[in-house]
Amino acid sequence: RKEVEQDPGPFNVPEGATVAFNCTYSNSASQSFFWYRQDCRKEPKLLMSVYSSGNEDGRFTAQLNRASQYISLLIRDSKLSDSATYLCVVTRTGGSYIPTFGRGTSLIVHP
Amino acid sequence: GAGVSQSPSNKVTEKGKDVELRCDPISGHTALYWYRQSLGQGLEFLIYFQGNSAPDKSGLPSDRFSAERTGGSVSTLTIQRTQQEDSAVYLCASSYSNQPQHFGDGTRLSIL
Repeated sequence: RKEVEQDPGPFNVPEGATVAFNCTYSNSASQSFFWYRQDCRKEPKLLMSVYSSGNEDGRFTAQLNRASQYISLLIRDSKLSDSATYLCVVTRTGGSYIPTFGRGTSLIVHP
Repeated sequence: GAGVSQSPSNKVTEKGKDVELRCDPISGHTALYWYRQSLGQGLEFLIYFQGNSAPDKSGLPSDRFSAERTGGSVSTLTIQRTQQEDSAVYLCASSYSNQPQHFGDGTRLSIL
């Protein structure tokens, strides 16, 4: 089992739709979780951190389920500009902090 | 403030040549990471520095790849005797402890 797994998609949704991605992780010692966004031929950029209690930033909501070892990202009222690849990142601690990136989920928002 | 800076932005070289890629992290970031990404693929972890030491070199694909970091700041990734399969975007990221990473724009390496 891969350490971090994501459905590669693509998720093809109309503008205004709500879409959700999940990301599962295998190491129960994982402690930090993030969502990044990567546009085509660009570097990944931090979208949001994921906190145990769940957190919201505008149209984006991130949640963590430690018992089932997954994190989720919900995007409401999708915009054309949301089209990108969304990368899930999980970091272990204990001497070194090497984040593990998922392969990413592709989102295409169409008019 | 200044972000992670990588140079060159693009590099085209002939097979068999050596190349050196540079990364200047965000000031104060103790951790520095190198990744590479081939077109349409995910990020491939190469090496990680904490300060000047590299506790994890497990991702380096072969002994043609090496990296160093001096003064807890600038890092160079060197690829010797380049092969066509080395063509990719090489991304550098830095962070403070287990805080989120910040990426540079990358170096697009093409081996002819």
